[in-house]
Order: sequence, then structure tokens, then C-alpha cells
Amino acid sequence: AQSVTQLDSHVSVSEGTPVLLRCNYSSSYSPSLFWYVQHPNKGLQLLLKYTSAATLVKGINGFEAEFKKSETSFHLTKPSAHMSDAAEYFCVVSDDTGGFKTIFGAGTRLFVKA
Amino acid sequence: GAVVSQHPSRVICKSGTSVKIECRSLDFQATTMFWYRQFPKQSLMLMATSNEGSKATYEQGVEKDKFLINHASLTLSTLTVTSAHPEDSSFYICSVWFGSKNTQYFGPGTRLTVL
Repeated sequence: AQSVTQLDSHVSVSEGTPVLLRCNYSSSYSPSLFWYVQHPNKGLQLLLKYTSAATLVKGINGFEAEFKKSETSFHLTKPSAHMSDAAEYFCVVSDDTGGFKTIFGAGTRLFVKA
Repeated sequence: GAVVSQHPSRVICKSGTSVKIECRSLDFQATTMFWYRQFPKQSLMLMATSNEGSKATYEQGVEKDKFLINHASLTLSTLTVTSAHPEDSSFYICSVWFGSKNTQYFGPGTRLTVL
């Protein structure tokens, strides 16, 4: 069975400092992993995805994530936070069993202080 | 990426009435769409998988007779909340599965408030 755990419900950083949002997954099959961002009262936007190609995935707005199979992790990072990065971030796992089923993590709220 | 729209964006209805929410794939023919609900400050919960031309597949605990899904064309799926109750108030989000990119594209969501 699939599952995804976002280890922090809230993360607070100062503008210009690095961001780390943690995600661990469990999947019986070779998973596809995604990070989505949701700004208040807006839809979900895809930041990046891992689908068994390069383990270091670069996304939009300077975000990247590294797939580590040995640690079953897919943490999201950004070298320097911007005020506009404040939002809710979801880690999502999807396995290729033909059903395209996806499981969302509980979400991590990122706060960015000036 | 694929553009997905939802209508309406917000709806307020009285308890006991039915509400229909539309999800449209504007530039992509979608054989598979998904419906999620999101309670305030919570994550998205998959409700059902909508398959064009066949019955939807519902997740455990989701009442198929209460949440009617129709996917009659490759660009439109509808979710009808029947006999709505205040506890059905939520944010309903649809998504389109873009198979060639192994990616979902999400609609902007519909805020349902049942009085």
C-alpha cells in the first residue's frame, strides 16, 4: 500500500535562507513522486516530479527535490526563500499499477519572515 | 500544462438540495479525471476516479449514491452532491490525468457551503 508522510506540519524560515520540506513515502511499486504548491484560495500548481529518471529533480521557482530510495525520501529544497514562497506544500505519491491512484501528504505550511 | 476549469467556483445552497459541479479539460481529452475534497487546513482526499464512458470508481467510505459522478465526454466530468448537508461543506477539486506526462493537472476548486 502507498503512503506519504510529511514530517513537518509547519516550517518557518527567514527570507533569503534555505528551505527544507521533508517527505517520506512508502510504495510497493516503483513510485512517481510529486510536489505541489497551493497558495491561499488558489488551485494546486505542480512544482516538480520524479518518475524514475534523474534522482535530483529541478522544478519551477528554484525548487528541487532529491529521490533517495534507500531512505524512501523525497525532500523539497530551495537555496533562498522568497516571501512569495509562503504557501501550503503537498508531497504526493503515485504508483504505476494502472490505476493512476495518488495519495497526498498532509501538507506543510511554509511561513517566510521578512 | 493542461488547463482544467471548474464551475462554479463558489456555491452556497440550502440543506437538502443538490449541487452539480463541472470539471472541464480545456485543451486535452481526458479519459481519466479525479475528484478530491479538502477540508479547511487539511490535505486533499481522493473521493473517486472518473472514467469516460464507464462508472466511476469510489474510494472506501465515499457514498456513491450521494456523490454522483458522470464522465460523459472526454472533456467533461460532473460531480453532483445530492441532498447536501452542512457536513458536505468543503472545497472540491478535480484533476485531469495526463498520461503521456504521468502528471495530474488540477482545477481551481469549488467552494461548497451548505446552510
